[in-house]
Amino acid sequence: GQQLNQSPQSMFIQEGEDVSMNCTSSSIFNTWLWYKQDPGEGPVLLIALYKAGELTSNGRLTAQFGITRKDSFLNISASIPSDVGIYFCAGQPRGSEKLVFGKGTKLTVNP
Amino acid sequence: ETGVTQTPRHLVMGMTNKKSLKCEQHLGHNAMYWYKQSAKKPLELMFVYNFKEQTENNSVPSRFSPECPNSSHLFLHLHTLQPEDSALYLCASSHFLTGGTHNEQFFGPGTRLTVL
Repeated sequence: GQQLNQSPQSMFIQEGEDVSMNCTSSSIFNTWLWYKQDPGEGPVLLIALYKAGELTSNGRLTAQFGITRKDSFLNISASIPSDVGIYFCAGQPRGSEKLVFGKGTKLTVNP
Repeated sequence: ETGVTQTPRHLVMGMTNKKSLKCEQHLGHNAMYWYKQSAKKPLELMFVYNFKEQTENNSVPSRFSPECPNSSHLFLHLHTLQPEDSALYLCASSHFLTGGTHNEQFFGPGTRLTVL
């Protein structure tokens, strides 16, 4: 089946630093979504991307839909302690109505 | 965010018990999903309902039985579960799925299930 490779698995950074994570696939995707999950909660949708090359921001978060349609990245600028959590990418493969999820990137921010 | 609610938030049950998980969405969506989230694994899709019709059963054991009485409510009935079924069970909803639809899913907070 289709898989998403999300990296890195975990990150330990200092408050104020920028963060970058990405997801790649061998298949073409029509939609890329980025979610954040806090402990004991469900994933919350952060950014949705619909077109190749699209660059979308949500506050300090910026995500891009790769030109090849096989990858996406998420950047967080000037990290703060409340950015701590697990970030998931999800993609909707071409021709499918389902989502495929990455394994997540666990972010730790040291004050 | 109260768009998708789930009850209970925590559940501990024995292997011979019968229990049900409930999900309700207030977003006007017509598609609803059950996912299983285990440690160090990607989210596993279990069931999909589109306009109350089950459109996906992802090889889920029969000890999990979904029910979707209307587009706003989704249940997961549990019976004779195994300890390896312990996980976070997430409900999600989205707009009606058709060819070409962008599938933005919105999740509930989940039910943390422990099977003893």
